[in-house]
Amino acid sequence: DAGVIQSPRHEVTEMGQEVTLRCKPISGHDYLFWYRQTMMRGLELLIYFNNNVPIDDSGMPEDRFSAKMPNASFSTLKIQPSEPRDSAVYFCASSLQSTEAFFGQGTRLTVV
Amino acid sequence: DAKTTQPTSMDCAEGRAANLPCNHSTISGNEYVYWYRQIHSQGPQYIIHGLKNNETNEMASLIITEDRKSSTLILPHATLRDTAVYYCIVAPLDSSYKLIFGSGTRLLVRP
Repeated sequence: DAGVIQSPRHEVTEMGQEVTLRCKPISGHDYLFWYRQTMMRGLELLIYFNNNVPIDDSGMPEDRFSAKMPNASFSTLKIQPSEPRDSAVYFCASSLQSTEAFFGQGTRLTVV
Repeated sequence: DAKTTQPTSMDCAEGRAANLPCNHSTISGNEYVYWYRQIHSQGPQYIIHGLKNNETNEMASLIITEDRKSSTLILPHATLRDTAVYYCIVAPLDSSYKLIFGSGTRLLVRP
């Protein structure tokens, strides 16, 4: 397996634009997590899914953020409209039955 | 909020053992201790986890105190590539499983 795959690796967008980050978890994993990392706040859990169902979205900062998992092999994190303070590295991770989580390489988002 | 306390930074000499402490005095009976690390510009990487017994794998050893209020991650022979931020996390092994990362310990391995 190629591991958790995130796309794009880098994204630069203008304030107000919609941004969609994508994640392909490891096949067979039943948990999927979205994290955001900044220098000021460290690694923050935004939302996680179990068997494609959102379990806890209490970390999603605002209504501008939304996440979906339409099937077991794909998830998206959408920001609409984007703001400069959303600039961060966004990580997706997956795990099987609450064991070790495997992280993707991240998407570095810059909102100008 | 993270339920663990770790030193902000540590250093050790290459080839020596690195012992990273973690305090988790409010750990619950169903919570495991997980360790992850993050090398610069990469995603976090799983190292090891345990409930109450000591654990060892190819990367490290985990020593958990009998009262489970603290633990130590041991890298037996640290290399320069072990320079990273190390995170100690407590989480249950059930449907409420989620990993909450604190600020971690920045380990610098010196040549």
